Amino acid sequence: KNQVEQSPQSLIILEGKNCTLQCNYTVSPFSNLRWYKQDTGRGPVSLTIMTFSENTKSNGRYTATLDADTKQSSLHITASQLSDSASYICVVSDSGGGADGLTFGKGTHLIIQP
Amino acid sequence: DTGVSQDPRHKITKRGQNVTFRCDPISEHNRLYWYRQTLGQGPEFLTYFQNEAQLEKSRLLSDRFSAERPKGSFSTLEIQRTEQGDSAMYLCASSSGVGPEQFFGPGTRLTVL
Repeated sequence: KNQVEQSPQSLIILEGKNCTLQCNYTVSPFSNLRWYKQDTGRGPVSLTIMTFSENTKSNGRYTATLDADTKQSSLHITASQLSDSASYICVVSDSGGGADGLTFGKGTHLIIQP
Repeated sequence: DTGVSQDPRHKITKRGQNVTFRCDPISEHNRLYWYRQTLGQGPEFLTYFQNEAQLEKSRLLSDRFSAERPKGSFSTLEIQRTEQGDSAMYLCASSSGVGPEQFFGPGTRLTVL
């Protein structure tokens, strides 16, 4: 069964600090891995999408890494801001196009404290 | 705003009532998806349209759920005889089909009393 596990479940850090969120997956065959940011009560917003051949991708202060051999990904947030407080969801696609081929993690709930 | 829109944003209903949600995708996106998300969980796939054709349905979509996209533009999701277990955020997403990215709407939060 395809699974995406995220850790930690929740994280509290001080504003300005860096943090790293983890995603391990057992999805096969692998097509792509996505990180989404979801503010409370809102829909998810895409941060990065990585395919098999990409092992790092940045979007501003967000940097995602992918190790397709160990089936692990991380999302690193640099110089955190209060607006980074949200849930971060890792999503892995096994089909490259079909709608039912997405496996969602439960998310990491990040709180940035002033 | 040219993003995905959903209406209503919040719905409170009594058990046994029917509810209908609407999703307007990004213009010219031919793919439209419905998901359900409960507290502390990631979204779960419900159904998928390519233009007006409903191509995939999850086993989560019981007989009480029906979705339509009659003209290949907006979509509706109807839940009949609502149950308390239907309480969740219902998310709609659309994509152009060119790349894998899906763009999500703000969601409709359903509370069944």
